[in-house]
Order: sequence, then structure tokens, then C-alpha cells
Amino acid sequence: DVKLVESGGGLVKPGGSLKLSCAASGFTFSSYPMSWVRQTPEKRLEWVATISSCGNYTYYPDSVKGRFTISRDNAKNTLYLQMSSLKSEDTAMYYCTRYGKGGFAYWGQGTLVTVSA
Amino acid sequence: DIQMTQSSSYLSVSLGGRVTITCKASDHINNWLAWYQQKPGNAPRLLISGATSLETGVPSRFSGSGSGKDYTLSITSLQTEDVATYYCQQYWSTPYTFGGGTKLEIK
Repeated sequence: DVKLVESGGGLVKPGGSLKLSCAASGFTFSSYPMSWVRQTPEKRLEWVATISSCGNYTYYPDSVKGRFTISRDNAKNTLYLQMSSLKSEDTAMYYCTRYGKGGFAYWGQGTLVTVSA
Repeated sequence: DIQMTQSSSYLSVSLGGRVTITCKASDHINNWLAWYQQKPGNAPRLLISGATSLETGVPSRFSGSGSGKDYTLSITSLQTEDVATYYCQQYWSTPYTFGGGTKLEIK
């Protein structure tokens, strides 16, 4: 079974940095693009980043471009999200996701990031 | 950016009844549309992709339809376990965007 387990969330001050990790198992990790999706306290869902299977292509919305970096280690079956210059509006549950034949088919349980002074 | 609008943020339906949740895209998305179900405390669950294709394990009382900019999720014979919030999402172009959600409750 596909399993995605996020870690690394926590409380951080505005302007600070945090690195999230996602351990993947149950599928050939190196064959799939991977993404991060977040859910705000108001329950709005927002796509945050996507990385190609090989890691050579990355995609971001304007809201995080230049501040967040998605990366992966296919040897370790692990996805990362480096977040810097964090703002209060980045407060959210962050989910690691994998595509299926369309849409985000698999989700982790999420890791909570709170940006507050 | 393509905006996704779910016109109803809240719906109340009787057990055994039928409900239709609508989603409108601000531009054509060529059926590159997904529907998700989210129950409190859980991650979203993909129900339908490609506007109409039911994911494995999803009950057949769920169905999707639509084309162009307008899409619907229908649930027939509503069960208590269907109480959840439902989101649509387009994956035609980046940034991938979600609707604001429709919270379904039993009347």
C-alpha cells in the first residue's frame, strides 16, 4: 500500500525557515512526480509545489515562488519542502501527495506549520 | 490563474436523498477535474478524476459529470458516512486550484 508520512512541522517565527520531509513507501518513488498541498485554518486547499520524478523540473504558485524549494532524494524515497521567509499566511497543514491517473490520489496525514511571533 | 467556484458552501440533504454539488471554472479545463471528499481530522480523499472517472473503492452512488467550465458531483442514496466537505480541483494548468468546498450535512 502507498504510504506517505510527513514530518518537520512546528512553530516558527515570521521570517524564519523550516524544512518538511515526506517518507514514501509502497510504490516506486522514483517513477512519480510528487507534490505538496496545504490546507489553511480556514480549510482552503492550496497547491504549493510539484517536482518531476527525476527532480529536474519544479513548479510553484506565485505565492511561494522564491521562498519555498521542493526537492527529492530518490535513493531515500523522501520528498522535501524547504520553506524560508515564512509569513503568517503560510500557517497551514502541509500534505505530501502523489498523483494517480489524475489529481492527487494519495495523501499523507499532514504536518502542521504555524508561523507566529 | 483558473478560479474554481463552488456555489454552495453548505448543503443539507435527507438520508437516502440525492445531492448535486456544482463547480465552475473560470476557463475551460477540458475535463481535467478532480473531486475530493474530506472528513474532519482526515486528509482529502480523491473520489473522481477526469471529471467522470471513479477511483477504485469509491461507492457507485458517487458520480461526476460536466464539460468545458461546468462540472457536478452527484451522490445518490445519501448515507451518513457521506457527511463531509467536498472540493473540486482543476489540474489543466498551473497553478492547480481548488474550489472553496461544499460542506454536506444530513437534514
